[in-house]
Amino acid sequence: DQQVKQNSPSLSVQEGRISILNCDYTNSMFDYFLWYKKYPAEGPTFLISISSIKDKNEDGRFTVFLNKSAKHLSLHIVPSQPGDSAVYFCAARPYGGATNKLIFGTGTLLAVQP
Amino acid sequence: NAGVTQTPKFQVLKTGQSMTLQCAQDMNHEYMSWYRQDPGMGLRLIHYSVGAGITDQGEVPNGYNVSRSTTEDFPLRLLSAAPSQTSVYFCASSYSVASGEEMGELFFGEGSRLTVL
Repeated sequence: DQQVKQNSPSLSVQEGRISILNCDYTNSMFDYFLWYKKYPAEGPTFLISISSIKDKNEDGRFTVFLNKSAKHLSLHIVPSQPGDSAVYFCAARPYGGATNKLIFGTGTLLAVQP
Repeated sequence: NAGVTQTPKFQVLKTGQSMTLQCAQDMNHEYMSWYRQDPGMGLRLIHYSVGAGITDQGEVPNGYNVSRSTTEDFPLRLLSAAPSQTSVYFCASSYSVASGEEMGELFFGEGSRLTVL
């Protein structure tokens, strides 16, 4: 049973436009949500996170929005750049338990067209 | 900066063979973990450790063993490989924080691609 879901396997946007990546989760027992980016043949790298007590966190071109009532998380990239082309994973940390034990979604492949 | 180092990067096994995927980190991180990445399944947690001598199971632990004798190393053992274990394996580490505290960044290795025939 997938607790963290990314329903769009891929997304294509034009350079300079906004990229919106979406993520849904199925229970409320998460205290942190994160986005990781992965290039081919490399390990995932941390991008941005948000606490469950907040609804927005911004870092440069990247903004994460959290809608707890809808159990929905989104990542906005503005403006999108060709170097942003990668697989994006959302992840959630369960309350309690191991400190950095993360549950990952299935990933969305973002392609930014020049 | 070495960070998280995984070896080997590629490995082909026959069904029933055993092998160990090595993971070492030089950041003095307490927390280490193993994930596998499969198409359409994302990253799934196999085993994790919150410190030397302490390990626990993740979402998909069957067929894998781990141990943590030192802070730096967290090997993943396949005792009898099966084709279903064909995957890309990632080791990750981070500092530990208390429950509820802000997440520490999880640092990943470059991955080990395993094929079981």
